[in-house]
Amino acid sequence: QQQVKQSPQSLIVQKGGISIINCAYENTAFDYFPWYQQFPGKGPALLIAIRPDVSEKKEGRFTISFNKSAKQFSLHIMDSQPGDSATYFCAASGNAGNMLTFGGGTRLMVKP
Amino acid sequence: ETGVTQSPTHLIKTRGQQVTLRCSSQSGHNTVSWYQQALGQGPQFIFQYYREEENGRGNFPPRFSGLQFPNYSSELNVNALELDDSALYLCASSFDAGARETQYFGPGTRLLVL
Repeated sequence: QQQVKQSPQSLIVQKGGISIINCAYENTAFDYFPWYQQFPGKGPALLIAIRPDVSEKKEGRFTISFNKSAKQFSLHIMDSQPGDSATYFCAASGNAGNMLTFGGGTRLMVKP
Repeated sequence: ETGVTQSPTHLIKTRGQQVTLRCSSQSGHNTVSWYQQALGQGPQFIFQYYREEENGRGNFPPRFSGLQFPNYSSELNVNALELDDSALYLCASSFDAGARETQYFGPGTRLLVL
């Protein structure tokens, strides 16, 4: 059972554009929602995270928007750069601990 | 401060064999989690160890087992390997097992089962 659904599977954006990746979850016990960035041959690295009592969190060019009632959250990458080309995973953890349930991933390509 | 390290980086086994993967947690971290990442998919949680005790387990069969040592390093053992076990195995450590504690991932061990 996939508890976190992520879309799109792949995304191509021009340099300077906005990249948007969406996730939806089912388990209402989730209360922490991190995004991870993974480059080929590397493990995932934390990019930004949000708690459900906050509707938006911004760190530099990266913003998470969170809609608790819809059980959806999204990652916006402003002014996308070729160096942002990577696979992005949304994830969630709940009150049982920090074990993560990941979405299926989005492969982002930013064209120069 | 060193990050999470894993060994070996790559491994080839045949069906039915057994494999042991190793992980050294980041300094000061007492919690280690293991994930399986099949090609083109998101990581799937296998199990977590907190202070040498299993602290949670995902939907994986008992032939996936683990261990955490007093220095908080960890091993993942897989018995009776199957072709579908071919994947990238990721280890992540965290300061503790609290719900919002960030997990820091190692580079993974890529296992190929023939």
